[in-house]
Amino acid sequence: AQSVTQPDIHITVSEGASLELRCNYSYGATPYLFWYVQSPGQGLQLLLKYFSGDTLVQGIKGFEAEFKRSQSSFNLRKPSVHWSDAAEYFCAVGGSDYKLSFGAGTTVTVRA
Amino acid sequence: SAVISQKPSRDICQRGTSLTIQCQVDSQVTMMFWYRQQPGQSLTLIATANQGSEATYESGFVIDKFPISRPNLTFSTLTVSNMSPEDSSIYLCSVESGAGGKNEQFFGPGTRLTVL
Repeated sequence: AQSVTQPDIHITVSEGASLELRCNYSYGATPYLFWYVQSPGQGLQLLLKYFSGDTLVQGIKGFEAEFKRSQSSFNLRKPSVHWSDAAEYFCAVGGSDYKLSFGAGTTVTVRA
Repeated sequence: SAVISQKPSRDICQRGTSLTIQCQVDSQVTMMFWYRQQPGQSLTLIATANQGSEATYESGFVIDKFPISRPNLTFSTLTVSNMSPEDSSIYLCSVESGAGGKNEQFFGPGTRLTVL
């Protein structure tokens, strides 16, 4: 069975500082990996995805993520955080059965 | 990406009643999904709804409690039946993007349900 672990429940970062959110997955084959963001009162927006190929993927809003097969990780990064990045971030893994499994989420707070 | 709308955006309901949530997509899609997000929790898949077939429910979810319709390729409904306060959640629909079976999904804005 596939699963996702996001070890950090809550991260506080200063505006302009860098951000890294951790994601570890468990999946028996090549995974499809996603990061979604949920702003307060909003639905989920897809930030980026990894299917195959280049292990460093670029997404929207200046985010990037790196797939590391040896570590079963897909960490999300942003070099300089803006106040509007305060939100809940979900990592998800999918396989050939069209189902997505989500991590518990990481809440990001941005302080001025 | 698909544009997905849900109605209602939020509702407050009494225990024992039922609520039907609508999900509309601006393009034809094969697979639609319904998720539940309980307060402070992650998303849990309720069921997969394909047009022309019965919905497929995940463990812990049953058709009598969450009947789903999928009358065409752009529309689906989820009913939350005989509600209790434990059903208070955000309910989200999503659609598979068509990216060759790679599970990429786009989500609607969600329906925030409060059961008193």
